[in-house]
Amino acid sequence: EDQVTQSPEALRLQEGESSSLNCSYTVSGLRGLFWYRQDPGKGPEFLFTLYSAGEEKEKERLKATLTKKESFLHITAPKPEDSATYLCAVHYGGSQGNLIFGKGTKLSVKP
Amino acid sequence: DVKVTQSSRYLVKRTGEKVFLECVQDMDHENMFWYRQDPGLGLRLIYFSYDVKMKEKGDIPEGYSVSREKKERFSLILESASTNQTSMYLCASSSPRGKHPSYEQYFGPGTRLTVT
Repeated sequence: EDQVTQSPEALRLQEGESSSLNCSYTVSGLRGLFWYRQDPGKGPEFLFTLYSAGEEKEKERLKATLTKKESFLHITAPKPEDSATYLCAVHYGGSQGNLIFGKGTKLSVKP
Repeated sequence: DVKVTQSSRYLVKRTGEKVFLECVQDMDHENMFWYRQDPGLGLRLIYFSYDVKMKEKGDIPEGYSVSREKKERFSLILESASTNQTSMYLCASSSPRGKHPSYEQYFGPGTRLTVT
């Protein structure tokens, strides 16, 4: 069965305490892996797309990496404004509808 | 910037009512999507459309229908609303760019629908 699993479900960090979020997937024919940030009551905001193992993308304090079975979102020296739920989504196969979202990691950064 | 707008942020309807949720995108995207998001279940695809008048079922199409008469507009219809359709509804759009076969989706702000 095609699956996307994010861990941990929730993560509490102190400001400046770096950490990583994990997204593991079991799908056939990965076409792209996406990271989104979602604030409470709002729609997901696109962060990164990764297409192949070994690829990395960076934006401010965030860095996304991809292997053949998982992706990591590394957060370096987080600030309270980084608090949000981070979603991972995997596109596989031929149809644009073949997109599975993970349940997300809720990140809280305390000052 | 891509802009996806949804007709209502909050909506309260009664059981049995017909409900229309509207989504408009301003970036000439080919693909449009409707999801619902529920605690513990994550985002689930209801329907998507890859062209005007074209649609495909997602994972949970039962109780819903869609309409896409213009490229920029994608409507979700709840034929007879039920309490189990209380949820956050999210619209998204995407379009191919460059050489990659996969394209990121851009989401609207969501409509929180309550069916009583």
